[in-house]
Amino acid sequence: DGGITQSPKYLFRKEGQNVTLSCEQNLNHDAMYWYRQDPGQGLRLIYYSQIVNDFQKGDIAEGYSVSREKKESFPLTVTSAQKNPTAFYLCASSISPRLYGYTFGSGTRLTVV
Amino acid sequence: AQSVTQLDSQVPVFEEAPVELRCNYSSSVSVYLFWYVQYPNQGLQLLLKYLSGSTLVESINGFEAEFNKSQTSFHLRKPSVHISDTAEYFCAVSDWGGGSQGNLIFGKGTKLSVKP
Repeated sequence: DGGITQSPKYLFRKEGQNVTLSCEQNLNHDAMYWYRQDPGQGLRLIYYSQIVNDFQKGDIAEGYSVSREKKESFPLTVTSAQKNPTAFYLCASSISPRLYGYTFGSGTRLTVV
Repeated sequence: AQSVTQLDSQVPVFEEAPVELRCNYSSSVSVYLFWYVQYPNQGLQLLLKYLSGSTLVESINGFEAEFNKSQTSFHLRKPSVHISDTAEYFCAVSDWGGGSQGNLIFGKGTKLSVKP
């Protein structure tokens, strides 16, 4: 079955360490997105990519980095510059946002101690 | 810029009661509208969407939403809720035209809590 896979489901890291969250899709979608979710704040867009080898900053890109070397993969790195990295991270993809919306992964809960 | 307002952050209801989750958007141009549901520690799932045509859209699990252009609203309703409907619900709008590339703008969510 086609879908989006985020791994791992839970991730613990020490403060000051970089960590990379995986997002893979086999839906043949061109567009991919990363969101951060905190209680009461809804979804905040970190980065998005409309095509391979191209990506744009979202509303809260500071302290994060991404790459899009393959259509299927859009990994997110949470760097030590991100001041409050503990959150639930969601990856999504779409073939046409206006017509079909987004397909979401099941999320990664990152806890920094 | 587009914006989406979900007027209630939390809605508690009793089982088998009706419920309405409110959503208003800011655009004055054509929009595409979506409702998503999120169960705890999971991703969002598409519940229903409005693209064009009939202003009343339905989902397979008994929810419906009505597009009201004059009031720029897209409220979600269910005549009789179940315990299993307990979740967070997100309204979203897609821009039409311009350089936005149609990316979705999400509301902050409404937590529906169904009590026995």
